[in-house]
Parts: sequence; structure tokens; C-alpha cells
Amino acid sequence: DAGVTQSPTHLIKTRGQQVTLRCSPKSGHDTVSWYQQALGQGPQFIFQYYEEEERQRGNFPDRFSGHQFPNYSSELNVNALLLGDSALYLCASSLYGPGNNEQFFGPGTRLTVL
Amino acid sequence: QKEVEQDPGPLSVPEGAIVSLNCTYSNSAFQYFMWYRQYSRKGPELLMYTYSSGNKEDGRFTAQVDKSSKYISLFIRDSQPSDSATYLCAMSATGNQFYFGTGTSLTVIP
Repeated sequence: DAGVTQSPTHLIKTRGQQVTLRCSPKSGHDTVSWYQQALGQGPQFIFQYYEEEERQRGNFPDRFSGHQFPNYSSELNVNALLLGDSALYLCASSLYGPGNNEQFFGPGTRLTVL
Repeated sequence: QKEVEQDPGPLSVPEGAIVSLNCTYSNSAFQYFMWYRQYSRKGPELLMYTYSSGNKEDGRFTAQVDKSSKYISLFIRDSQPSDSATYLCAMSATGNQFYFGTGTSLTVIP
């Protein structure tokens, strides 16, 4: 049973550029959540996708956008990169609905903005 | 005030000790609680999931939730060097957006 996968593993970009990160959820899961984890901090919720729609969003600017595909995989896009966007970006998959909310994380994509 | 408060440690214990990790929170609507273990530069690994109050046990791990005190705990019995990691608590009102603590760094000394 494949767990959550993310690509790429590492990424280096310069300020002002755009980046796309990818996530495939655990088999059987239909919901994908994205988190940003700065060094020494806990993950911060960016947004959640279910049925190809953004269902909930955390306190992140519109530079952060996403997409979910019919096969439940998801992308996170970040435009106009800032130095402060350097972090580990984590994707978590789960089942939508109350009582089935365990979120399983992928290994993350480490983004460095120079 | 942060939604979730967690002592960052570091915590250092001898092998075989009982470890107690704790988080407090301010939002009384939180009803979903999780504990994760995160090794350096890796994704968090789900250890325990609890809905509402009460205790849950899984092997060497016990999770406790006290909603009246807004306090959750994770106990690790017979701690092993392989338990050395950062432990994150996470909680949610809706089961969608989870709020995480900053993590407690644990080292188990052989």
C-alpha cells in the first residue's frame, strides 16, 4: 500500500520565481491538505482540497494556490517567491468527513529561495 | 495567544524511562487530537489519533485528552533510543484544518 508521495524532494529557486509542488495521496484517500513547516516550527495549514475544490484555507496570501485532479492528486503553486517562503512543504492525505480525519503526511518538499 | 502551546524542550531521558509530553490549547471547540513523531528532515509520522476526551493506548504509547483543562498528553513507556525525535501535537475543531504545536525534541540516551 503506497503511502503519500511528494515531488520533488528538494528545490532551489530565486526570489520572484514561481514553483509547483506535487502530491499523490495514500491509496483510498480523497482529501489533500498542504502545510508549510519552517525550521524549528510546527506545520502551518495552507489549504485543503476535496472533490477538486478548496474547502478550507489558512492564513496564507493569494500567492499560494492549489489544484486537485480527478485522481485525487494535488499541486501547490507559489508565485512571486519570497525568501521567507523557504520551508519544508508537507502534503497530508485523509478521508473527508467527521470521524475519519487522521492525516498521513508525505516526506515533504524542501524549498530554498535564494 | 497561540492556538496550541507545546514546550519545545529539549527533553533528555535514559533508555527505559517513561516519557511524558504535553500540549495545552485555548480553543474549546477542538475535538480531534493527534500526535506525530518527526525525525530530522522527514515528514511527520502519525502515532495516535483521539476524538473527544479520554485515553487511548497503542503498544508503548498512551494518549490522554482532558478537554475540561484543555490539556493533552502522550506517554511513552520503556523508551528506546529509536524514539529520539521531535514530537508534535495537532488538534482541530472540524477535522479539516489542524493546528500544530512547535514540537518537543526528545533524546533517549542508551
